[in-house]
Amino acid sequence: DAGITQSPRYKITETGRQVTLMCHQTWSHSYMFWYRQDLGHGLRLIYYSAAADITDKGEVPDGYVVSRSKTENFPLTLESATRSQTSVYFCASSELHDGYTFGSGTRLTVV
Amino acid sequence: ILNVEQSPQSLHVQEGDSTNFTCSFPSSNFYALHWYRWETAKSPEALFVMTLNGDEKKKGRISATLNTKEGYSYLYIKGSQPEDSATYLCAFIRGGSNYKLTFGKGTLLTVNP
Repeated sequence: DAGITQSPRYKITETGRQVTLMCHQTWSHSYMFWYRQDLGHGLRLIYYSAAADITDKGEVPDGYVVSRSKTENFPLTLESATRSQTSVYFCASSELHDGYTFGSGTRLTVV
Repeated sequence: ILNVEQSPQSLHVQEGDSTNFTCSFPSSNFYALHWYRWETAKSPEALFVMTLNGDEKKKGRISATLNTKEGYSYLYIKGSQPEDSATYLCAFIRGGSNYKLTFGKGTLLTVNP
């Protein structure tokens, strides 16, 4: 099916563990983004990518790593999860001049 | 850090009322302004992408205007329906920012039947 999919939908992990959130889009959009949603802060940009092999930091990148070896995939890795990274994570993709299309979100809890 | 401000934070209206919200953003180095509709337990969905000063966009009962010189945009909903209940987000793209959106915190609209 065409679209943008995130996995997993829900994840509980322990402090200090490495976690990878997956994002896959089928449109070959150039731009992909990772946002986190937190109460009182709205959506904040973690990392973004303008094309395969091109990534850059957003507003809140600390503790996260991304890669984009293929246009359609943009995984987000928490290298050593902390409780402050408990959040809902949204992946989005877009082409220039278009609105973003968002995935369904991943609710991550770090205990 | 860019400031994108939305007001009001929340709004309760009766079915059939018309309403509007405000988004303010930096007036310098403007590239684009987006509006999104975000229903509870779903993902944000794009409503409008606005790029030109004086732009007016319309989709059904929802419309938006843009003033890039003074840094504001209005979203209007005519004859609100309960299914319009959602959070409405505006987001700003600065020129040269590689198409990154900076979001406001949204206006939560509740339409009572």
